This record gives sequence, structure tokens and C-alpha cells, in this order.
Amino acid sequence: AQSVAQPEDQVNVAEGNPLTVKCTYSVSGNPYLFWYVQYPNRGLQFLLKYITGDNLVKGSYGFEAEFNKSQTSFHLKKPSALVSDSALYFCAVRDLNYGGATNKLIFGTGTLLAVQP
Amino acid sequence: DGGITQSPKYLFRKEGQNVTLSCEQNLNHDAMYWYRQDPGQGLRLIYYSQIVNDFQKGDIAEGYSVSREKKESFPLTVTSAQKNPTAFYLCASSIETGINEQFFGPGTRLTVL
Repeated sequence: AQSVAQPEDQVNVAEGNPLTVKCTYSVSGNPYLFWYVQYPNRGLQFLLKYITGDNLVKGSYGFEAEFNKSQTSFHLKKPSALVSDSALYFCAVRDLNYGGATNKLIFGTGTLLAVQP
Repeated sequence: DGGITQSPKYLFRKEGQNVTLSCEQNLNHDAMYWYRQDPGQGLRLIYYSQIVNDFQKGDIAEGYSVSREKKESFPLTVTSAQKNPTAFYLCASSIETGINEQFFGPGTRLTVL
């Protein structure tokens, strides 16, 4: 079965420090991976995606993610955290086994990022 | 939140009542999705539709119904058969061809009184 896991419910980091939000995946074929961010009582906003090619993907708001095939991971990173980055972050993988809907996604349970001033 | 609108933002319902949540998109996307979000459980797929007049059940379709009469619209009805309907509901859409992200609406928070 295909799945994505976010092992940390919450990540705490001081403003100005680098941040990492972890994601691991399990798929039967090529993984197509996504990161989204959600602010309180809002919809999800797309940050970045990995399809193929360079293992380091750059996205919105200074975020990037590193694809690691051997570790089946797709961790979200940012060199210097801002208080305004505090939000809920979701990792997702495209569901390759769901008949028809080519862009159906499987979401992780989310990681709450708290950046302290 | 892109070109997807959801209404209302907050909705209160009495037990035993059906209620319909609206989702409209002007992105010309073929596919549309409904998710339910509960604390600590991430997003769970209720229904999705790839094309007008066609839709498929997701992982938690029981107690819900949808229609897709127009490309732009994908309303969700929460019926009285849904035993625990209090949740945050999110609508999304995507281009169907190629590998593309989903675009999300702002959500509707449903509370059963």
C-alpha cells in the first residue's frame, strides 16, 4: 500500500535557525511528492513538488525539499526560519494505484511548526 | 486560495438535518475533490470527480453525497446518515493531465449542534 509518514507531530525552532520537517514515503513506482502549508482556519497552499531530476527542489517562501531515494524521504527545509513560518505542514504523495484520478494525493498527518522569536 | 471558493465559511446544523457545502472554481480544472480534516488525522478523501457527470467515492464516503453537473461546481451534501459530521471541509481542484498539484479552497467549518 502507498503511504506517506510525518514522524513528528510538532517541530520547534528558534527564529533565524534552520528548520527541517521530515517526511518519508512508500510507493510501488516512481514517487511524485508534494509539500503544502496550512495556516489556521485556511485552506492548504502548495509549496513545492518533486517529479524527477534534481534531488533538491526549490519552492515558495524560501522553502526547499531534498528527495532521497535510498532513504525514501522528502524532507522540507529552510535555511533561516521566520516566526511567520509557524503553521501546519503536510507532505503528500501522488496515489499511483487509484484508478483514473491521476492527481489524487495521499496526505500525511501533518507537522505543526512553531518558530519562537 | 487561488480561484476556488467555498461557502459558507462557518455552518451550523442541527442533528438530523442535511446540509450542502458549496465549492466553485474558475481555474478550468477537470478534477475536483472533497476532503475532511480532523485534528491529528490529516486530510481524508470523501469524493472526487474527474469529469462532469462522473464522480467516485473516496476513503470515507459514507454519509456524504455529491454532484458534478457543471465543470465549475462540485457541491457536497452532508446527510443525516453521517454520524460525526463536525469537521473542517476542504475542496480542491487540479489539472487532470500530467503531474500537477491540487489547489485548495479556504474551507468550510461545519458544527453540529
